[in-house]
Amino acid sequence: QSVLTQPPSASGTPGQRVTISCSGSSSNIGSNTVNWYQQLPGTAPKLLIYSDYQRPSGVPDRFSGSKSGTSASLAISGLQSEDEADYYCAAWDDSLNGWVFGGGTKLTVL
Amino acid sequence: QLRLQESGPGLVKPSETLSLTCSVSGGSVSSSNYFWGWIRQPPGKGLEWIGSIYYAGSTYYSPSLKSRVTISVDTSKNQFSLRLSSVTAADTAVYYCARRGNWNYAFDIWGQGTMVTISS
Repeated sequence: QSVLTQPPSASGTPGQRVTISCSGSSSNIGSNTVNWYQQLPGTAPKLLIYSDYQRPSGVPDRFSGSKSGTSASLAISGLQSEDEADYYCAAWDDSLNGWVFGGGTKLTVL
Repeated sequence: QLRLQESGPGLVKPSETLSLTCSVSGGSVSSSNYFWGWIRQPPGKGLEWIGSIYYAGSTYYSPSLKSRVTISVDTSKNQFSLRLSSVTAADTAVYYCARRGNWNYAFDIWGQGTMVTISS
C-alpha cells in the first residue's frame, strides 16, 4: 500500500490528452513539492516534472504538472506512442521523514 | 555529463547482507549541491525509497528499513554504498542509485539499476 495513491492504469489514443492523478496528505503533497517520473519498459526512471510543475531541460512541453491541496496531477497532451510507460509521483513526507512514491500508473496508448 | 553505475552481487543468500556500490563519474560525490540516494523496485512493482546520504555523512533512511540499512559515502573513490542486512526474498528487487538535487528536490539522475535476487 503506497502512501501516495495513483490509479493503476490510464489510456488514450494518439493526439489525445490524458491526466494521471496522485493523492496524498497534509504531511507530503500538502506541504512539499511533487515530482513525477517516467519509466519506459526495461529502463530506469527518468525525472519528468519537479517542484509540482517544472520541466527539466529536454522534457517536451506536452508534459505538465499541477497541484492543489493534497493532490497533484500529471497531464500529457498530444499523446504519442512513445509515451507508453509507467508514471510515478513522489514527494517528501514530513511525518515519515522520507521520500514516498505513488504505486505507479501504467499508461497505454491505444 | 554525470553518470551513476551500480555494482555488486546479483545473488545473495537469505539472512546475509546485501552490499552495493554506486560509482559516480562526470561529477563529484563531494558536491554540496546534492544528496545521493538508493531506490529499489521489486519485480513488477513500484518504486521504494531506501535512503539518502550527503557527502558530509548525514543520512536519512526509510522508517520501514532503517533497522537494516546503512548508507555510506567514500569521497576518495567518488562513490557511495548500500548495505542491507538480514535479507529475505522480499528484498529481491532492482536497486537504483540516484542523485537528488538540493535545488530541485528531485532525483534527477539515475543509474541503470542492478537486479539483486535473494535466494539460497
